[in-house]
Amino acid sequence: QVQLQESGPGLVRPSETLSLTCTVSGGSINNEYWGWIRQPPGKAPEYLGFLSYTGSTNYSPSLQSRVTISLDTSKNQFSLRLSSVTTADTAVYYCARRVRDSTGYHDAFDIWGQGTMVTVSS
Amino acid sequence: EIVLTQSPATLSLSPGERATLSCRASQSIENYLAWYQQRPGQAPRLLIYDAYTRATGIPARFSGSGSGTDFTLTIDSLEPEDFAVYYCQKRSDWPPDITFGQGTRLQIK
Repeated sequence: QVQLQESGPGLVRPSETLSLTCTVSGGSINNEYWGWIRQPPGKAPEYLGFLSYTGSTNYSPSLQSRVTISLDTSKNQFSLRLSSVTTADTAVYYCARRVRDSTGYHDAFDIWGQGTMVTVSS
Repeated sequence: EIVLTQSPATLSLSPGERATLSCRASQSIENYLAWYQQRPGQAPRLLIYDAYTRATGIPARFSGSGSGTDFTLTIDSLEPEDFAVYYCQKRSDWPPDITFGQGTRLQIK
C-alpha cells in the first residue's frame, strides 16, 4: 500500500526557508493529488496547500505568499518550501494524499506520513 | 471566512457508550466536511469525508451526518482505542481553502 515519508532539517533559523520532501512508496505519484499540513504543538492541524499530478497548485490564502509545493515525478517525490520563517512556523509537518474513490477526488486526506518536527529557532 | 466550531471541547464517556460530536460551520459548506481521529504521537486518521462517506477500513461504528452548517460524528459502542482527539475539516470554494476545527477530546470517564 502507499506510504509517505517526510524528510528534511529539524531546525531552521528565523528568516530562512524551510524545505521538506515527501517520498511516496508503494505506488505512483501520478494521477493523485498531494498535500502538506502542519500542526503546531497542542493545536489543530493547519492546511498549507496541495498540488496535482499535473503540477497545478492550491495554497492556503493565509500562507500563499510564502508557500511553494512542487513535484518530482522521476523520484516519486513532492516538496514544500516555506520562506521567511518565524517561530510561529514551528510545528510537525505532514505530507498527505488527497482522497480518491470511484466517484473522483474529494477534499480530505486519507494517507499521511508520520510527520516531521521542524523547530524555528536561532 | 468560514469558521468551524466543534463541541464539546472535551467529552467524557465510558467504553460501550455512544459518542456524539458536533461541528458547526458559520456558513453553509454543503456536504464538504471530513472527520479525523488523532491519537497521541500519531498523524490524523481520516474517518469520514463528504459528511457521511466512511473512509477505507474504518469500522461501521463510526458514522457521519449533516449538511449545510451542522454536522455530527457518531461513534457507537466506544472501544478503548476510540479515546482520542477528533477534528472536523471543511473545504470552501472562495477563497479556495481547507480548514480544521479546534478539536474535541474524547476521554475515558
